[in-house]
Amino acid sequence: GAGVSQSPSNKVTEKGKDVELRCDPISGHTALYWYRQSLGQGLEFLIYFQGNSAPDKSGLPSDRFSAERTGGSVSTLTIQRTQQEDSAVYLCASSSGFGDTQYFGPGTRLTVL
Amino acid sequence: AQSVTQLGSHVSVSEGALVLLRCNYSSSVPPYLFWYVQYPNQGLQLLLKYTSAATLVKGINGFEAEFKKSETSFHLTKPSAHMSDAAEYFCAVTPDDYKLSFGAGTTVTVRA
Repeated sequence: GAGVSQSPSNKVTEKGKDVELRCDPISGHTALYWYRQSLGQGLEFLIYFQGNSAPDKSGLPSDRFSAERTGGSVSTLTIQRTQQEDSAVYLCASSSGFGDTQYFGPGTRLTVL
Repeated sequence: AQSVTQLGSHVSVSEGALVLLRCNYSSSVPPYLFWYVQYPNQGLQLLLKYTSAATLVKGINGFEAEFKKSETSFHLTKPSAHMSDAAEYFCAVTPDDYKLSFGAGTTVTVRA
């Protein structure tokens, strides 16, 4: 079946602009995760959604970052007032439930000029 | 907090040679351990996963890893490297929840 998809694959924006990154998880997967991969910090957990439970936002680096998951499926990660240090690859993953194997999408490469 | 350390940011091997990538974890309780591979411009792909069922875990593409509690290690090996194994490899841990904590990664290059 189809894997995790993310859009756009690349995004170039100017400092101070807002951006939205989209993730479509594998159909039927109840858990969805966002990670960030950057040169300085490696791979970092950002946020986790599980069903209708309150998301775990403990990895979000600042209040400029937010995410939502509509209808238990598609998720959008929003970065407001982007800064150059936000430049990274943003990876989305989904799993069939708590503790199950996470399957990753191809990522969105964000460049903030 | 759980963490993993990958020894060696770059490994270069000859085609046909043994591939050995080292990973040590910090934990008082055996966690769930993973190896992921990332090919250029692609997302992460799961190679194998340790969940305490067996200490020797076989994964895809001929890779395997052995969990050694006494050494808190989970090293990844492949007996014979192929050119297609050139990629970045990440060791990851999640104790009893869902957040993957990744090592810094090891880039493998394969020489013809």
